Formats: sequence, structure tokens, C-alpha cells
Amino acid sequence: AQSVAQPEDQVNVAEGNPLTVKCTYSVSGNPYLFWYVQYPNRGLQFLLKYITGDNLVKGSYGFEAEFNKSQTSFHLKKPSALVSDSALYFCAVRDSRVIYNQGGKLIFGQGTELSVKP
Amino acid sequence: NAGVTQTPKFQVLKTGQSMTLQCAQDMNHNSMYWYRQDPGMGLRLIYYSASEGTTDKGEVPNGYNVSRLNKREFSLRLESAAPSQTSVYFCASSEGQDRYTEAFFGQGTRLTVV
Repeated sequence: AQSVAQPEDQVNVAEGNPLTVKCTYSVSGNPYLFWYVQYPNRGLQFLLKYITGDNLVKGSYGFEAEFNKSQTSFHLKKPSALVSDSALYFCAVRDSRVIYNQGGKLIFGQGTELSVKP
Repeated sequence: NAGVTQTPKFQVLKTGQSMTLQCAQDMNHNSMYWYRQDPGMGLRLIYYSASEGTTDKGEVPNGYNVSRLNKREFSLRLESAAPSQTSVYFCASSEGQDRYTEAFFGQGTRLTVV
């Protein structure tokens, strides 16, 4: 069964410092990996995804993520954090090994609260 | 372009009451999903519909039923609400047949069962 783990409930960083939000996954086949952000009282917004190819993926708002197959990880990073980056971040995975036309379940981690202080 | 629209946004139910959460998408997506979000639990998949005419159970289907009314609409029904179903419910959709496409989410329904 596919699963996602986000080992940190909360990450605290100072504005201007680099940030990392960790994610590890487990799937049978090759993973399709996603990061989403949720601001208070809002739905989830898509940030970036890894499907295949370059292990470093760039997304919205200056975020990037690094896929590491050997460590089954897909950590979210940003070189310089902003106070406005403070939000709840979710990692998600879909298994590529599903029967065609069955869509495939999108499974989420438990979320990491990012707090960026001035 | 509205994307994914959920109704209602807020609801309070008494234990044992029933209700249906509505979801509609205007992106011509094949797959639709219902999730619940609880503190510390992340998003858990209740049901999903890979395409019109099909539905499948997710991680936490007990106490819920779904209907894929047509390609646009996917409703979630609570037949006899329980306090454990107090949560924020999100509907999402994705292209589906291309499994690497991202999902788009509605704004959520905050449900309280008293």
C-alpha cells in the first residue's frame, strides 16, 4: 500500500534563512510526488510535482523539491524563507502502478506547519 | 473559471441527522475525490471516483456514501451523522487518466456534529 510520512509536525525558521520540509514515501511502482500548501481556512493549492526526469523540481513561489529514489524522499526547499510562506504544507504520492483508467489514489501525509518569523 | 465548488461551506448537524455535501467541477476532469481533514491526521481519502460511473473506497469510508451524478458532480452523503464525523471536508478533482496530473481542491466544508 502507498503511504507518505512527514516526520515534522512543525518547522520554525527565521525570515531570510533557507527552509526544508521533509517527506518520505512508500509505493509499489514508481512514485508521482506532489507538494501542496494550505493557508488558514482555505483549500489546498498545488506547489510542484515530480513525475520523471530531473531530480530537482522547481515550483510556485520560489519553492523547489529534491527527489531521492534511494532514500525514498521528496523534501521541499526554499533558499530564503518569507513570513508569507507560513502555512501548512502537505506532501502527497500517487503510485504509477495502477490499472489504466482507474485514476489512482492520491495519498497525503499528515502535514507540516511552517512558521517563518521576522 | 470556478474550478471546484463545494456547498455548503459550514454546517452543524445533530447526531443521527443526514446530509449531503455537494461538489462540482468545471474543468472536465475525469477523477474526483472526497477527503476529510482532522488536526494531526492530514487529509484522509474517504471515497474517490476514477471516472464517471465508478466509485471506490478510500482509507476511511465507513459512515459515508457517494454518488458520481455525472462527470461534473460528486456528492458525499452522511446517512446518520456522528460526532466523530466532525471535520473539514474537501472535494478535489484531477484529469485522472493521466495519473501525474495534480489535483485541484475546493474551499472545504466545515462540518460540526453535536
